[in-house]
Amino acid sequence: DIVMTQTPLSAPVTLGQSASISCRSSQSLVHRNGITYLSWIHQRPGQPPRLLIYKISRRVSGVPDRFSGSGAGTDFTLKISRVELEDVGIYYCMQATDFPRTFGQGTRVEIK
Amino acid sequence: EVQLLDSGGLSVQPGGSLRLSCTVSGVRLSDYVMSWVRQAPGKGLEWVSSIGQSRGQEHYEDSVKGRFTISRDDPRGKAYLQMNSLRVEDTAIYYCGTDAQHDSHTWGQGTLVTVSS
Repeated sequence: DIVMTQTPLSAPVTLGQSASISCRSSQSLVHRNGITYLSWIHQRPGQPPRLLIYKISRRVSGVPDRFSGSGAGTDFTLKISRVELEDVGIYYCMQATDFPRTFGQGTRVEIK
Repeated sequence: EVQLLDSGGLSVQPGGSLRLSCTVSGVRLSDYVMSWVRQAPGKGLEWVSSIGQSRGQEHYEDSVKGRFTISRDDPRGKAYLQMNSLRVEDTAIYYCGTDAQHDSHTWGQGTLVTVSS
């Protein structure tokens, strides 16, 4: 199974500042078709998960451009610029390159 | 735009069975690989099962193999998760969704399964 490891697990951030979350996979996420199936998901308390970014860096329609994804191979990053109150919650990375699909442990973003 | 409605969650005793349903609207279900993901209380997200298009290959997380069965009825726009021999540790919110290989994959609102004596 591909193990997804996120750091940090907790990210206190000041409003208006940036936050960065790292996600490392135990093996390359490049599929045999050449696509890297790495997604970033946000979940607010009591809410279902919501997709932010897929295929490393593609933002879902309606997601602010304050959210950006980058990386390749086994190392990926989600950056949140100019953090707003609505950004609090838990962020997960997820791989869909292989079965079983696997998630990172989650990173809790909170306002200082 | 894909819209998903999960249903069927209940409180059951250990050893019991449940069938979860996922109603898909806004798109043609046959175009999508469908998945179930769950979240135990206070825990992270865990993938459970996926089913390929056109009654394609099924995949299961190890702890549910032999107990859970995923299925689909494309003309009715529904996907299902039949859960047998339920255990206390299966207690979770279950979310159906389009598989994460699809662009802009998404999940329903979730349905709560509680396994307790």
